[in-house]
Amino acid sequence: AQRVTQPEKLLSVFKGAPVELKCNYSYSGSPELFWYVQYSRQRLQLLLRHISRESIKGFTADLNKGETSFHLKKPFAQEEDSAMYYCALSGFGNEKLTFGTGTRLTIIP
Amino acid sequence: DVKVTQSSRYLVKRTGEKVFLECVQDMDHENMFWYRQDPGLGLRLIYFSYDVKMKEKGDIPEGYSVSREKKERFSLILESASTNQTSMYLCASSLVGGDGYEQYFGPGTRLTVT
Repeated sequence: AQRVTQPEKLLSVFKGAPVELKCNYSYSGSPELFWYVQYSRQRLQLLLRHISRESIKGFTADLNKGETSFHLKKPFAQEEDSAMYYCALSGFGNEKLTFGTGTRLTIIP
Repeated sequence: DVKVTQSSRYLVKRTGEKVFLECVQDMDHENMFWYRQDPGLGLRLIYFSYDVKMKEKGDIPEGYSVSREKKERFSLILESASTNQTSMYLCASSLVGGDGYEQYFGPGTRLTVT
């Protein structure tokens, strides 16, 4: 069975400080990992995926298979980063996603 | 630009009523999904459809059924609504084998069962 764990329900960070949202997963095969974000009054949308290895809105995430982690990082938080963040996993060739419970990030001005 | 629309933003129903939630996507996606979103529980998959008339149970299908008669439309049905089905319901769609299997979400329907 596949599982995604986000240990922090709430995270508050000062503007300009570094941000790290934790995500750990459990999956026996080769996983595909994603971060989705939901800003206030907006729909859930893809932020980034590990296969593309790109930085979106200053965020990066590295897949660490040894630690089964996919933490989301940003060196300098901005107020517009305040949102709900979900880590998600799919098995290779599997269309379905398993989501974590989410972390609500609040950036303090 | 992918558009996923849901028939209602807010819905209030009584216990025992039959409830229909409709979802339409305009990008010819093969896959469609229904999730419920609850605080502290994240998103949980109710049902998944990979083609017209094809469906697969997700993690929490009890008390729900689905219908997909046309490619663009995926309906979630609560046969007899109960208070524990009060939740935010999200519909999503994706291409088969799409790059990284990105799912595109609708705005959500907040259902209250009294």
